[in-house]
Amino acid sequence: AQRVTQPEKLLSVFKGAPVELKCNYSYSGSPELFWYVQYSRQRLQLLLRHISRESIKGFTADLNKGETSFHLKKPFAQEEDSAMYYCALTNSGGYQKVTFGTGTKLQVIP
Amino acid sequence: DAGVTQSPTHLIKTRGQQVTLRCSPKSGHDTVSWYQQALGQGPQFIFQYYEEEERQRGNFPDRFSGHQFPNYSSELNVNALLLGDSALYLCASSLGGINEQFFGPGTRLTVL
Repeated sequence: AQRVTQPEKLLSVFKGAPVELKCNYSYSGSPELFWYVQYSRQRLQLLLRHISRESIKGFTADLNKGETSFHLKKPFAQEEDSAMYYCALTNSGGYQKVTFGTGTKLQVIP
Repeated sequence: DAGVTQSPTHLIKTRGQQVTLRCSPKSGHDTVSWYQQALGQGPQFIFQYYEEEERQRGNFPDRFSGHQFPNYSSELNVNALLLGDSALYLCASSLGGINEQFFGPGTRLTVL
């Protein structure tokens, strides 16, 4: 069974401070991992995926297969980063079933 | 392109009734996935449709069924509604399985 755990419901940081949103997963094969973000009054949207190895809006995430983690990081938080963040996992190949975590609300304090 | 659209926006039903929710995918997309999002939870995968067939299914009872039309739009049907079916229902579209998914605004279903 695939499972995604986001241990923090709420993370509050000051503007300019580093951010780390935690995500751990359970999956027996080779997963694909994603981070989705939902800003206030907007739709859920893809932030980044591990296979792209990109930095989006200053955020990065590295897949650590040994620790089964995919933490989202940003060195300097900005107020516009305040949003709900969801980690998600899917099986690689074929028709895919996506499992989302319960989400972490990031609050950046000015 | 309006992106993924869903209708209706809100819906109120009573226990035991049946409901149909609709989704139009983003232009050019051929795959539609449906999710249920209860308050305070992440989206839970219900099923995915591609080429008018259900290709993957999450842990939802048979009361949840769907359909995809030749124009790639999709419907989610829920029979014998329970209070616990109250949630936000999200539709997401993509091109060929799970490349980037684009989400709709959702339909808020309330079961009384």
